[in-house]
Amino acid sequence: AQSVTQLDSHVSVSEGTPVLLRCNYSSSYSPSLFWYVQHPNKGLQLLLKYTSAATLVKGINGFEAEFKKSETSFHLTKPSAHMSDAAEYFCVVSDQDSSASKIIFGSGTRLSIRP
Amino acid sequence: GAVVSQHPSRVICKSGTSVKIECRSLDFQATTMFWYRQFPKQSLMLMATSNEGSKATYEQGVEKDKFLINHASLTLSTLTVTSAHPEDSSFYICSASGGWGTGELFFGEGSRLTVL
Repeated sequence: AQSVTQLDSHVSVSEGTPVLLRCNYSSSYSPSLFWYVQHPNKGLQLLLKYTSAATLVKGINGFEAEFKKSETSFHLTKPSAHMSDAAEYFCVVSDQDSSASKIIFGSGTRLSIRP
Repeated sequence: GAVVSQHPSRVICKSGTSVKIECRSLDFQATTMFWYRQFPKQSLMLMATSNEGSKATYEQGVEKDKFLINHASLTLSTLTVTSAHPEDSSFYICSASGGWGTGELFFGEGSRLTVL
């Protein structure tokens, strides 16, 4: 069975400092993993995805994530936070070998940026 | 990337009326679309999976007669909230699958429903 756990419901960092949003997953199959960002009253935008290619995935807006199978983790990082990064972030896991309905959302992490 | 358009973005209605929300895939054909509900400061809750040309598959606890889903074409799915009540007020989001096996979803901008 699949599951995804976002370890922090809220992360607050100062502008210009690194960002780390943590995500752990479990999957019976070879997982695809995604990070989405949601700004207030908006839909979700894909930041990056892992689909069994390179384990270090680079996404938009300077974000990247590393797939670590041994740790079952897919943490999202950014070297230097910007005010515009303040949003809700969702880690998502899906099975590559099953239908798209087996997509599981994490509970979300709210990222706040201090000036 | 693929574009999914959702309309209306905001709707206010009186209790007892019905509201229709549209979800369109603008530049690709989506055989499967998903409808979610999101409460404030919470994650997305999958309500139903909409399959083109067949009945939608509802998640446990979601009332089929309350939330009518129609997916009559490969580019359009609609969610109708029937006899809306204040507790139905929420943010509703649709998404479309980017293709078999990839798992990637393309999301609409969401619809904020307020029932007075």
